[in-house]
Amino acid sequence: DIQMTQSPSSLSASVGDRVTITCRASQSTSTYLNWYQQKAGKAPKLLIYAASSLQSGVPSRFSGSGSGTEFTLIISNLQPEDFATYYCQQSYSTPFTFGPGSKVEIK
Amino acid sequence: QVQLQESGPGLVEPSQTLSLTCTVSGDSISNGGYYWSWIRQPAGKGLEWIGRVYPSGSTNYNSSLESRVSISIDTFKNQFSLKLSSVTAADTAVYYCARNEYRHSWNWFDPWGQGTLVIVSS
Repeated sequence: DIQMTQSPSSLSASVGDRVTITCRASQSTSTYLNWYQQKAGKAPKLLIYAASSLQSGVPSRFSGSGSGTEFTLIISNLQPEDFATYYCQQSYSTPFTFGPGSKVEIK
Repeated sequence: QVQLQESGPGLVEPSQTLSLTCTVSGDSISNGGYYWSWIRQPAGKGLEWIGRVYPSGSTNYNSSLESRVSISIDTFKNQFSLKLSSVTAADTAVYYCARNEYRHSWNWFDPWGQGTLVIVSS
């Protein structure tokens, strides 16, 4: 199975900040990498698919990049509604696996 | 707009079988281009993909659960279901159903159901 790691596991940021979350895979996943946002008590929501494609309806302040084993999610101009936990997920091979999550908290 | 809704018992006794159903509305579950997946999340922990089913009935399972899991589809009812046998407290989690879109080998989960909490306890 492909193992996913994320850093940082949590961070504190202010509204308007630029936030960067990194996801690493235990082996190359090409660009088969997705990002999700999960708010407390809610289901995850797809933000980015295929490493860099923005899901319809997702604000353009979210962006994704990377390939192979290292990927980045950037939230530019952090908004109050962006405080949540973010998960990466590889779809290169089954079983599909998720990272442990990165929690973005209010500073 | 496609919506998914999980249903089933919220409490299951140890060693019994957990059974959940996901009802899809807003689109036919038979439409090509989508698998239908189950994913779970223990309280305060991360997400674990359980498996998926295609409208034809073909399935893929997480090897960690494969000996205990079965996912089936009912295209007439526009539903798909999860059965997990011989459950223990470690199977206590919020269970989500999700549409698994795939294009040119890329796969992603969208949308998700709201999730249903299943507690394994006597």
